[in-house]
Amino acid sequence: GDSVTQMEGPVTLSEEAFLTINCTYTATGYPSLFWYVQYPGEGLQLLLKATKADDKGSNKGFEATYRKETTSFHLEKGSVQVSDSAVYFCALSNFNKFYFGSGTKLNVKP
Amino acid sequence: GAVVSQHPSWVICKSGTSVKIECRSLDFQATTMFWYRQFPKQSLMLMATSNEGSKATYEQGVEKDKFLINHASLTLSTLTVTSAHPEDSSFYICSARDLRGGQGYQETQYFGPGTRLLVL
Repeated sequence: GDSVTQMEGPVTLSEEAFLTINCTYTATGYPSLFWYVQYPGEGLQLLLKATKADDKGSNKGFEATYRKETTSFHLEKGSVQVSDSAVYFCALSNFNKFYFGSGTKLNVKP
Repeated sequence: GAVVSQHPSWVICKSGTSVKIECRSLDFQATTMFWYRQFPKQSLMLMATSNEGSKATYEQGVEKDKFLINHASLTLSTLTVTSAHPEDSSFYICSARDLRGGQGYQETQYFGPGTRLLVL
């Protein structure tokens, strides 16, 4: 069945460092791919999405490119801030079902 | 983006009581809403899919008589945890599917802020 695998955390970075959180997926057909962010004690917020191969989703300095050939949707940001500390979930949508990765906690230190 | 609200944001109750959690789509109509449960430091587990005007579809292992779902209108779904016990303590999150601009089976889900339930 469909599934999402993302790198385990926590990931600890210094402010202004480069961020990559890996995400790969398994799916039939043509899924949409998403990154959600969850701040402590809150629900999930949509960060960015891509609906077809080679699409790049971007928001708030974060970006991810839908790579069908490598079945990946890695999240990147050139310069992280302390306020980016949160848990990041990669997800896919396919045939009316949503599948989430296990989440990666990001800690950004000043 | 679309906004989904949940109420209450947190609730503490005694064992054996029932708790109702509301999920509302504020600026769009949602024919389908989803209920998730999240344990500490874990991912979301889909409990059920709530369809407006029809019965909810429960995931395997989720007791439908314990977690009652009602989707009476296009903007409101409720989850009632009946006869709650301490093991039901968790973070419950709802989401609503926004098909505006969507394509067939591809959609975006927007999530509520979550409800933290503590059963004593």
